[in-house]
Amino acid sequence: NAGVTQTPKFQVLKTGQSMTLQCAQDMNHEYMSWYRQDPGMGLRLIHYSVGAGITDQGEVPNGYNVSRSTTEDFPLRLLSAAPSQTSVYFCASSPGQTYNEQFFGPGTRLTVL
Amino acid sequence: AQSVTQPDIHITVSEGASLELRCNYSYGATPYLFWYVQSPGQGLQLLLKYFSGDTLVQGIKGFEAEFKRSQSSFNLRKPSVHWSDAAEYFCAVGSGGYNKLIFGAGTRLAVHP
Repeated sequence: NAGVTQTPKFQVLKTGQSMTLQCAQDMNHEYMSWYRQDPGMGLRLIHYSVGAGITDQGEVPNGYNVSRSTTEDFPLRLLSAAPSQTSVYFCASSPGQTYNEQFFGPGTRLTVL
Repeated sequence: AQSVTQPDIHITVSEGASLELRCNYSYGATPYLFWYVQSPGQGLQLLLKYFSGDTLVQGIKGFEAEFKRSQSSFNLRKPSVHWSDAAEYFCAVGSGGYNKLIFGAGTRLAVHP
């Protein structure tokens, strides 16, 4: 049972490049989410999904796309990277739709030059 | 709008000393409250949570927190800190269902030997 896995661990992009951050969980959790962590600001919710085929925006969705074709995977896409997207990105999963514990992945540190 | 404030950005304590990390929230209804810990280079791990009932909740690693509705606070405490407790601590409040969380900015704890 690997829990929540994220790839890559580190990534450097140039402004305007696109990329996908991968997130997978093997706990059969319905709920998955993406957060970004910036110094002095805690974690902020980007997008979330309550099940396969269902996604919605969080607090800071601009510049990011998501899809949820399977229960296990929840990739985050940056279509045209900007320096403001330099951050540490965390994926999390949780069972059900009540306030259960969210299990976090180890994070992806992204730098946009 | 819901919000979480952690007034202390950095705290330094001596090993064996007691610890209290402050958290204040703004939320209209009965809040769902959480404390997470993040060790360097790691994802977040749930320490404890409050949904309802007894206002003093026990968590892992010897931590506890007390919910005080009159003060809109959910402070985290530990009677005797260990060097391994050095980490960043985040308070969070559930917002809008579906496990959406609003995080505070975090408190970084340093432990002196």
